[in-house]
Amino acid sequence: DIQMTQSPSSLSASVGDRVTITCRAGQSITKSLNWYQQKPGKAPKLLIYAASSLQSGVPSRFSGSGSGTDFSLTISSLQPEDFATYYCQQSYNTPVTFGQGTRLEIK
Amino acid sequence: QVQLVESGGGLVKPGGSLRLSCAASGFTFSDYYMSWIRQAPGKGLEWVSYISTGGTAMYYAESVKGRFTTSRDNAKNSLYLQMNSLRAEDTAVYYCARDRVSGSFLTGFGYWGQGTLVTAST
Repeated sequence: DIQMTQSPSSLSASVGDRVTITCRAGQSITKSLNWYQQKPGKAPKLLIYAASSLQSGVPSRFSGSGSGTDFSLTISSLQPEDFATYYCQQSYNTPVTFGQGTRLEIK
Repeated sequence: QVQLVESGGGLVKPGGSLRLSCAASGFTFSDYYMSWIRQAPGKGLEWVSYISTGGTAMYYAESVKGRFTTSRDNAKNSLYLQMNSLRAEDTAVYYCARDRVSGSFLTGFGYWGQGTLVTAST
């Protein structure tokens, strides 16, 4: 199984800040990496697919980068609605695996 | 618009069985691979299973292999998860999810249902 490790596990930031979350795969997954946002009590929402492609309807302040084993999700200017938990997920092979999540909190 | 609605969750004793359903609408169900993904209370996401468009190929997480069976009825636009020999550690919200791209899998989970809670406890 491909292990996915996110850092940090939690992060405090303020509205308007630029934040970056990283995700490392246990082996090369080329660009087969997706990012999700989950708010309490809600289903996850796909933000970024194939490492850097923005899902339809997702604000352009979200961006993704990386390939191989190292990836990142950047929010260029935090908005109040962005405070949530973020997960990376590899879609290179089965079993599909997720990172442990990064909780983004208001400072 | 795409809608996925899960049902069938509830309280079951360890060792018991439960069948979850996911009703799909707003897209051509038979064109998409579908998955079940679960989330234990306060924990992260765990993929459970995948099923191909025609229902002939299934993939499972090791933690549920041999106990859970995924199936689909394309005529009814429905996805199912038969869960047998349930354990306390199977307690979770179970989501059904649709792949982003038709005809392919491992493209990202583009749509999710609202989830249904399964509790395996005495």
